[in-house]
Amino acid sequence: DVKVTQSSRYLVKRTGEKVFLECVQDMDHENMFWYRQDPGLGLRLIYFSYDVKMKEKGDIPEGYSVSREKKERFSLILESASTNQTSMYLCASTIAGFNNEKLFFGSGTQLSVL
Amino acid sequence: ILNVEQSPQSLHVQEGDSTNFTCSFPSSNFYALHWYRWETAKSPEALFVMTLNGDEKKKGRISATLNTKEGYSYLYIKGSQPEDSATYLCAFNTDKLIFGTGTRLQVFP
Repeated sequence: DVKVTQSSRYLVKRTGEKVFLECVQDMDHENMFWYRQDPGLGLRLIYFSYDVKMKEKGDIPEGYSVSREKKERFSLILESASTNQTSMYLCASTIAGFNNEKLFFGSGTQLSVL
Repeated sequence: ILNVEQSPQSLHVQEGDSTNFTCSFPSSNFYALHWYRWETAKSPEALFVMTLNGDEKKKGRISATLNTKEGYSYLYIKGSQPEDSATYLCAFNTDKLIFGTGTRLQVFP
């Protein structure tokens, strides 16, 4: 069974902390994505990556950075966590040429920043 | 601003009822329309990716239709079961994926 694994299901951090959210996929997918889900809003794209060491800003990149040192792993970094970054974070992956390809999602990390 | 709208926001039905939801999207620059099911505490799971106007797809009791000219897709569930309870997301694929806010379905036994 194909899998996208996110390192934590729930995470509680303090304002100002540096936070790492890890995502690993075992499908050899080229494309990986980080989304956040907030009540009343659709999934919003934070960052994506088409290849190792490559990254592109999504719709809401402010306050975030990413790292993709290996094909299977895509990390989301909150340099200095703030309360407005409290959210559900979803990682996803898909094969190259993704326009007509479905996304495979992780089960999400619910981050609370106090 | 490209917008994807889903209706209704939430739906409560009895087991055995059939139901349907709507996804509305811009009718220009269309590549594909995705449907995902997201059960609580699980990963969103792809149901369908539809690319052609008039496309109809079926998976068990769930089916979907697509009208790219008028910009809408319908998702139908025949004979709803409690295990169908989930949030159903659609996403419009132009040069990127734009998600709707979802329809939350609860099926009562």
